[in-house]
Amino acid sequence: QSVLTQPPSVSGAPGQRVTISCTGNSSNIGAAYDVHWYQQLPGTAPKLLIYGNTNRPSGVPDRFSGSRSGTSASLAITGLQAEDEADYYCQSYDSSLSGLFGGGTKLTVL
Amino acid sequence: QVQLQESGPGLVKPSETLSLTCTVSGVSISNFYWSWIRQPPGKGLEWIGYIYYSGSPNYNPSLRSRVTISIDTSKNQFSLKVSSVTTADTAVYYCARGGLAPTAYWGQGTLVTVSS
Repeated sequence: QSVLTQPPSVSGAPGQRVTISCTGNSSNIGAAYDVHWYQQLPGTAPKLLIYGNTNRPSGVPDRFSGSRSGTSASLAITGLQAEDEADYYCQSYDSSLSGLFGGGTKLTVL
Repeated sequence: QVQLQESGPGLVKPSETLSLTCTVSGVSISNFYWSWIRQPPGKGLEWIGYIYYSGSPNYNPSLRSRVTISIDTSKNQFSLKVSSVTTADTAVYYCARGGLAPTAYWGQGTLVTVSS
């Protein structure tokens, strides 16, 4: 069981907006530690999607955005496309400087 | 460009030690933190630990008693050892650049199966 909790699955139709939550506690996200998000396509290594809660690496479309509030963070995807179908993971760390991953969320584009 | 490549046996017997090496190219290993992350088949990512060339490694508390991460700056490589493996250690093992910082560079991953 992951310390960071994500919904196992979310879905949306093309063009719609979906959000994926990542809930932690006062020892990790709530302690203002940064949250990063990764996208993993089947059979491939994860790809950095959002870093430092809200920042997009070069090349990541602005359809992807991140936010953090309190003990939670969220990834939003607007203008959903078929190619967005993937697994998404949040990452943070805790006061012992141990890395943490969320359990992952499978996004299905209907 | 930065590239990472995992190498090591794909099959390990229960109770033995899993050993993997990550070879880094395109950047000096001395300038960054380096991590190991694994993913059991069909499951999520699990952080194993990270190392900096001049500091002590930091390990996942749930694996700390069985894991050793080391670094060889002369070969631009870092390594992972997991002792007393069980079938629960079967996973794709990734090496990556970064410790707690966001991980933009990953190896392609290598599947290690624990089986007799």
